[in-house]
Amino acid sequence: EVQLVESGGGLVKPGGSLRLSCAASGFTFSSYSMNWVRQAPGKGLEWVSSISSSSSYIYYADSVKGRFTISRDNAKNSLYLQMNSLRAEDTAVYYCARSIPAFGYWGQGTLVTVSS
Amino acid sequence: DIQMTQSPSSLSASVGDRVTITCRASQGISNYLAWYQQKPGKVPKLLIYAASTLQSGVPSRFSGSGSGTDFTLTISSLQPEDVATYYCQKYNSASWTFGQGTKVEIK
Repeated sequence: EVQLVESGGGLVKPGGSLRLSCAASGFTFSSYSMNWVRQAPGKGLEWVSSISSSSSYIYYADSVKGRFTISRDNAKNSLYLQMNSLRAEDTAVYYCARSIPAFGYWGQGTLVTVSS
Repeated sequence: DIQMTQSPSSLSASVGDRVTITCRASQGISNYLAWYQQKPGKVPKLLIYAASTLQSGVPSRFSGSGSGTDFTLTISSLQPEDVATYYCQKYNSASWTFGQGTKVEIK
């Protein structure tokens, strides 16, 4: 069974940093592109970033480019999102999702709150 | 960047009704279009990919069509468990933009 479990969310002050993790199991992690998607409270889904299976290709939404960094460790079956220079508008539930290439599997999400 | 526009933003229909949601891309995206269902308080679920391919386990009352810039999601007979927000998403050309969502309620 495919499982994606996010962690690392929490409360952070504007300008601060946070690192999210996504632990994957139940599939060959190194064979799939992975993604981060976020959803602000009461709002729609927003794609954040994607990384190819071998980390050769990395993409970001304009809203996070230059502030967020996606990475993965295939040996640890883990996906990461380093978030720097956080703003109030980054407050959201962050989901990791596996590509098939559409987003066929999602984690339960981790809440990031940016507030002073 | 290609924008994805859904219509309507919300709708209310009776159980058994045929429901259609439209998604329009600002440029052609071939058939690189997916539909997701998100029930209140739940994680999004993939319903359809490649514009018209039903994801395994999804009820056959859901169907998708379209290519290029215009796409539709149809629920042939609305059920109470279909109350949710539905999102389209493009997944080509290094961006995975979602539509703004369509909230479906029971009348």
